[in-house]
Amino acid sequence: EAQVTQNPRYLITVTGKKLTVTCSQNMNHEYMSWYRQDPGLGLRQIYYSMNVEVTDKGDVPEGYKVSRKEKRNFPLILESPSPNQTSLYFCASRGGGRNYGYTFGSGTRLTVV
Amino acid sequence: KNEVEQSPQNLTAQEGEFITINCSYSVGISALHWLQQHPGGGIVSLFMLSSGKKKHGRLIATINIQEKHSSLHITASHPRDSAVYICAVSRGSNYKLTFGKGTLLTVNP
Repeated sequence: EAQVTQNPRYLITVTGKKLTVTCSQNMNHEYMSWYRQDPGLGLRQIYYSMNVEVTDKGDVPEGYKVSRKEKRNFPLILESPSPNQTSLYFCASRGGGRNYGYTFGSGTRLTVV
Repeated sequence: KNEVEQSPQNLTAQEGEFITINCSYSVGISALHWLQQHPGGGIVSLFMLSSGKKKHGRLIATINIQEKHSSLHITASHPRDSAVYICAVSRGSNYKLTFGKGTLLTVNP
């Protein structure tokens, strides 16, 4: 089944403790991206990647890092999480061409205390 | 002003009603996307449009490029259609998405 897999689904952590949220897709998509969703603010893009070793900042990149060493994986790294990074995070991928839509992961609800 | 504006923010309907959700954008786009998010659930891509109209089951999406406007219609609405519907636009070739704030639809039986 074509899918984007995010892990973990839920995570509670403490301020300053480094964490990684994994994202993997099995569709050979070139484009992958990370979003956060907050009440009243909607979805906002954090980082995106057009291909292996090609990443770029989205609208809210501060406090996050990403890497794209393989086509299928695009992990989101929080080096020193803070409470304002408490949010619902989504990873997505998209294939090339004009007729390909986005496939989203199931989301990761992160709480930083 | 947001680049992508949706209306209404909230919409309550009775089962069977015809529903329209609107999306206006202020920038040039390469495509417009309609997404669906059920409460507590993930996000599903419904449509990707660059012109004209698309239909899938009871859902119809239209776009008017000149007026920078898109509509999502649901015919014969059902309680299982209750969800947040999100409009998003992508620009150029980098596939970056800019999102509207979403429309919360509640369909009562």
